[in-house]
Order: sequence, then C-alpha cells, then structure tokens
Amino acid sequence: EVQLVESGGGLVQPGGSLRLSCVASGFTVSNNYMTWVRQAPGKGLEWVSLIYSGGNTKYAGSVRGRFSISRDSSQNTLYLQMNSLRAEDTAVYYCAGSPSTGYWGQGTLVTVSS
Amino acid sequence: DIQMTQSPSTLAASVGDRVIITCRASQSISSWLAWYQQKPGKAPKVLIYSASTLQSGVPSRFSASGSGTEFTLTISSLEPDDFATYYCHHYNTGSDTFGQGTKLEIK
Repeated sequence: EVQLVESGGGLVQPGGSLRLSCVASGFTVSNNYMTWVRQAPGKGLEWVSLIYSGGNTKYAGSVRGRFSISRDSSQNTLYLQMNSLRAEDTAVYYCAGSPSTGYWGQGTLVTVSS
Repeated sequence: DIQMTQSPSTLAASVGDRVIITCRASQSISSWLAWYQQKPGKAPKVLIYSASTLQSGVPSRFSASGSGTEFTLTISSLEPDDFATYYCHHYNTGSDTFGQGTKLEIK
C-alpha cells in the first residue's frame, strides 16, 4: 500500500522558516513527479511547487525565491523548505504524486502568526 | 499564466440526478487536466487524469471529456457520497493551476 506522510508543520512567526517533509512508502519519490499543494483555511487548492524525476524544479510565483523543493533518495522523502514566511502562507500543505498515480498525503498545517 | 475557470461555483442537486461541471482554460492545455473530489477535512481524491482517464477504483458513474480549452466532468447518477467539492487542475506545466472549485450540495 502506498502512503505519503507529511510532517513539519506548526506555528511560526512571520519571517520565520519551516521545513516540511513527506515520507513515502510503497512508492519511489525520486522516480516520480512530485508536487506540493496548499489550501488556506476555507479556500481552494493552490499549487506551490513541483520536482520532476529528472530533478528540475518549478515554483508558483507567490513562493518563488522563498520556498525550495528537494528530495532525498536514501530517505525516500520529499521536502519543502519555506523561508521568509508570511501570514498568507498559512495553509494545509499536501504532498502528492502526479495525478496519474492518485497519491496524496493527509496534509500538515502551517500557521504563520505572531 | 493559464487561468482555469470552473462553473458553476455551487450546484444543488438530488440523489439520482445527472450533473455536469465545466472547466475552461484561458488557452489550450491539450489533455493535461485532472479532476478531484474533496470532502471537508480530507485530502483531495483524484477522479480523472489526462482529461478523460478514470483513476483506478473510481466508480464508473464519473466520466470526463474535453481537450484544448473546454472540459467537463459528468456524474451520471448522483449518490449520497458524491456531495463534495470538485476541482479541476491543469498540471505538468511547471505553472500548474487549479480551478476555484464547485461545491455540490444536496437540494
């Protein structure tokens, strides 16, 4: 059974940093296109970032220059390093494979507030 | 950036009804479109990818079609479990975009 399990969320002050992790089982992160998607409270889904199997990365304009996606093949883990956090980054963050895989994590809540 | 516009934003329907949700892209996206179902407090569930391919395990009452700029998701006969929010998603571009969502409510 495939599982994606996110962690690392929490409460952080504006300007602070967090690193989210997404540990995969039954599924190889480095062989797949992986994304981070977020959902602010009561709002719709927003794409944040992706990493292709070849290692190329892409970012939404709202996070470019502040967030960084990466992966560790030895740990079969996807990461999202989030710096210079703002109140508007408050959301549940999900990791997911490509839509053809259908794999999503359960999400981790990031709250940016003083 | 490509914009994805879903309609309607809210849809009230009854069990047994056939419903259609539309997603329009601001420019051609070929078949790089997925549809998701999301229930409160839960992660989205992939229903459809590549515009019309049913994800494994998804009931056959769900179907989808379209290419280019116009896409539709059809539920042939609503069941109680189908009342949820639905999103379209233009993906695999490095500038992915979601539609704003369609909340399917019980009439």
